[in-house]
Amino acid sequence: QSALTQPASVSGSPGQSITISCTGTSSDVGGYNYVSWYQQHPGKAPKLMIYEVSNRPSGVSNRFSGSKSGNTASLTISGLQAEDEADYYCSSFTSSTTLVFGTGTKVTVL
Amino acid sequence: EVQLLESGGGLIQPGGSLRLSCAASGFTFSNYAMSWVRQAPGKGLEWVSSINGGGGNTYYADSVKGRFTISRDNSKNTLYLQMNSLRAEDTAVYYCAKRTVTRYFDYWGQGTLVTVSS
Repeated sequence: QSALTQPASVSGSPGQSITISCTGTSSDVGGYNYVSWYQQHPGKAPKLMIYEVSNRPSGVSNRFSGSKSGNTASLTISGLQAEDEADYYCSSFTSSTTLVFGTGTKVTVL
Repeated sequence: EVQLLESGGGLIQPGGSLRLSCAASGFTFSNYAMSWVRQAPGKGLEWVSSINGGGGNTYYADSVKGRFTISRDNSKNTLYLQMNSLRAEDTAVYYCAKRTVTRYFDYWGQGTLVTVSS
């Protein structure tokens, strides 16, 4: 199972919006609404930000939103803040009943 | 409060074995699937293995199939990962994670570092 494809880095100024893409295939992202997103600060464990494509867990800012079109899922961070600087990973269930993560995206707040 | 506490990591020679443990609390352990996810130094997340709540169904990434065994003891609220025939490329921080029915990880442990080196 190959990793889902994400851009290596995305940057934006405070207050701006950025979008991170996550591209897979019809056997994973495109085939199921089981896409989730995780935020990871250096030296810390990942934190769930979005589940089932577009749902936000309790406690996660509404500045984070998710969507999906075909084989590509997206995470949008609006009103970018310094604390959003981190690595972000998407994940999807697959037709092989396994799970696959994305390659990861480093978000930089300029 | 959900807590997951991994232990058992360390330095091991290539070809050696190691068993990781993950002590869970704050939820009904037997009701939930659990998983191991690893992260090599400076690299991304890699799903390693999952096990259902009862322990009867297990799943593995191709990279560890035949070498790693996931198991759980619901009486002790503990998840395990038995790692055999370890290779340098298995060097990583290993996280245990609570998995939901719709295959996302809502809680993660702090991770335990496994270093495979001679």
